[in-house]
Amino acid sequence: EVQLVESGGGLVQPGRSLKLSCAASGFTFSDYNMAWVRQAPTKGLEWVASISYGGSNTHYGDSVKGRFTISRDNAKSTLYLQMDSLRSEDTATYYCARPPHNNRYFDYWGQGVMVTVSS
Amino acid sequence: DIQMTQSPASLSASLEEIVTITCQASQDIGNWLAWYQQKPGKSPQLLIYGATSLADGVPSRFSGSRSGTQYSLKISRLQVEDIGIYYCQQASSAPPTFGGGTKLELK
Repeated sequence: EVQLVESGGGLVQPGRSLKLSCAASGFTFSDYNMAWVRQAPTKGLEWVASISYGGSNTHYGDSVKGRFTISRDNAKSTLYLQMDSLRSEDTATYYCARPPHNNRYFDYWGQGVMVTVSS
Repeated sequence: DIQMTQSPASLSASLEEIVTITCQASQDIGNWLAWYQQKPGKSPQLLIYGATSLADGVPSRFSGSRSGTQYSLKISRLQVEDIGIYYCQQASSAPPTFGGGTKLELK
């Protein structure tokens, strides 16, 4: 059974940093591209970042480019999102999501982790 | 970026009723369209991919269709467990983009 379990969320002040983790199991993690998708309170879904299966290629949404860094450790089957220079508008539930091979939709999602940016 | 315009934003329907949600793409995305269901307090779940293919475990009362750049999600006989918010997403080109969502409630 595919499982994606996020952790690392919480309350953080504007301008500070936070690092999210997503532990994957039930599939060969190193074979799949991975992504982060977020959802602000009562709002819709927004793609944040993607990383290739080997980790060499990364892509970011315009709203986080230059501030967030996606990475992965295939030996640990774990996906990361380093979030720097956080802003109030980054307040959201962050989901780890897996796209099937050669696709950009998402067939598995984690349960989500809440990040609140506030002073 | 490709814009996805979803309608209606909210919808109230009765049990056993037929429900249709539409999504308009700002440019040609072929069949690269997915639909998700999100129940309150839960993560999104894939319903439809490739515009018309049902994801594993999804009841057959859900179906997807395409007419040009307009896509539709149909629930043939609404059940209580279908209540939630539905999103479309284009998977044709980067960045992947989502529609604004349709909140489906019981009348």
